Amino acid sequence: QVQLQESGAGLVKPSETLSLICDVSGYHISSGSYWTWIRQPPGKGLEFIGNIFQSGYSHYNPSLKSRVTMSVDTSKNQLSLELRSVTAADTAVYFCARTGHGSGWFFDYWGQGTLVTVSS
Amino acid sequence: QSVLTQPASVSAAPGQKVTISCSGSSSNIGNNYVAWYQQLPGTAPKLLIYDNNRRPSGIPDRFSGSKSGTSATLGVTGLQTGDEADYYCGTWDSSLSAYVFGPGTKVTVL
Repeated sequence: QVQLQESGAGLVKPSETLSLICDVSGYHISSGSYWTWIRQPPGKGLEFIGNIFQSGYSHYNPSLKSRVTMSVDTSKNQLSLELRSVTAADTAVYFCARTGHGSGWFFDYWGQGTLVTVSS
Repeated sequence: QSVLTQPASVSAAPGQKVTISCSGSSSNIGNNYVAWYQQLPGTAPKLLIYDNNRRPSGIPDRFSGSKSGTSATLGVTGLQTGDEADYYCGTWDSSLSAYVFGPGTKVTVL
């Protein structure tokens, strides 16, 4: 069973960098899947942040591209997300998810999410 | 503001059927596959439908998906109280070069 678990600082100051880790178990991240970060502001909908392949190839949402960096650590079976120069608008629950194998894009396994609040 | 449109809410009595529409354009639904996710209160989204109409293992056949042109539909039959949740459609948008989600539809079981 594939399981994902996000972790990181729950409170980040404005203008600083948000850093999160996603631990993957039950599936090796180098087994050929894309891995995705998605966020959800409190009481609002879902927003695609970007995804990354095992090789390190990544694609970011153009709306966030200038501030986002994703990486994979195959030795630890972990993903990481950095979001720079955060503002209150970046307050959200952040999810990591596996991109499924099919004809289109979809996310078949999700972490439980971690709330990050941007506040001084 | 999402490029996909969903009704804010739908409701029906237990045992009845609801349908949720997801409307887009040629840059998203019209030329890409659609997925549907269920988000129970306080939990992560769960994949219900992928590739327009396929169900992952473990998803009951009460849930169905279809697509026609630039719109997609999720159907839920035999409505149960446990189906009360937010439902999101999602697909790739070629113009935005990003995966996009609909704004979500809240399903209420009366």
